[in-house]
Amino acid sequence: DTGVSQDPRHKITKRGQNVTFRCDPISEHNRLYWYRQTLGQGPEFLTYFQNEAQLEKSRLLSDRFSAERPKGSFSTLEIQRTEQGDSAMYLCASSPGAPVSTDTQYFGPGTRLTVL
Amino acid sequence: AQTVTQSQPEMSVQEAETVTLSCTYDTSESDYYLFWYKQPPSRQMILVIRQEAYKQQNATENRFSVNFQKAAKSFSLKISDSQLGDAAMYFCAYRSANAGGTSYGKLTFGQGTILTVHP
Repeated sequence: DTGVSQDPRHKITKRGQNVTFRCDPISEHNRLYWYRQTLGQGPEFLTYFQNEAQLEKSRLLSDRFSAERPKGSFSTLEIQRTEQGDSAMYLCASSPGAPVSTDTQYFGPGTRLTVL
Repeated sequence: AQTVTQSQPEMSVQEAETVTLSCTYDTSESDYYLFWYKQPPSRQMILVIRQEAYKQQNATENRFSVNFQKAAKSFSLKISDSQLGDAAMYFCAYRSANAGGTSYGKLTFGQGTILTVHP
């Protein structure tokens, strides 16, 4: 049973550069979520997908952020023109989607972004 | 909007003893789910236990149990017979069960409690 995987695990970039992260959910999980976690804090919701449809976006997701989930499988999160404030751990999670009563989110190891 | 508060930034416990982590939340909804997640240092977050708000019975998973007080909006985690492997950051989280609500699907987390287990 393969869990949620994320790539890369670490990314160091210079301010102003674009970065892209990938998340592969657990097979057959319909829902996929992105969260951001800064040091010593709880994760904050960014966005989530039901299959290929992006159903909700947080106000934290500025115009520089874009997420996609083509064909309802893996997802990418792109940050354009990175800023030092973007430095954080980006977590991906997936869940079966149904039934609602047991729809538990399983997290990946995260991608740690450092913007210099 | 829902909020989750963990008022204990750090807790410590002796191995084999019991510790309770506190969590309170604020919501106007009547149906929701509550979770405790564990995040070991440099490792991924894993689910410890979940509670459905419509269930009066407190959830239990082996050494982990919760005290769910719906009226008080309190959701504490009790770890019995603490082990060294329990050392981690623990997060309390809320998820709406209202499919038509704006917060449906996403988890709202507290700030976390760092648990240290002393041998």
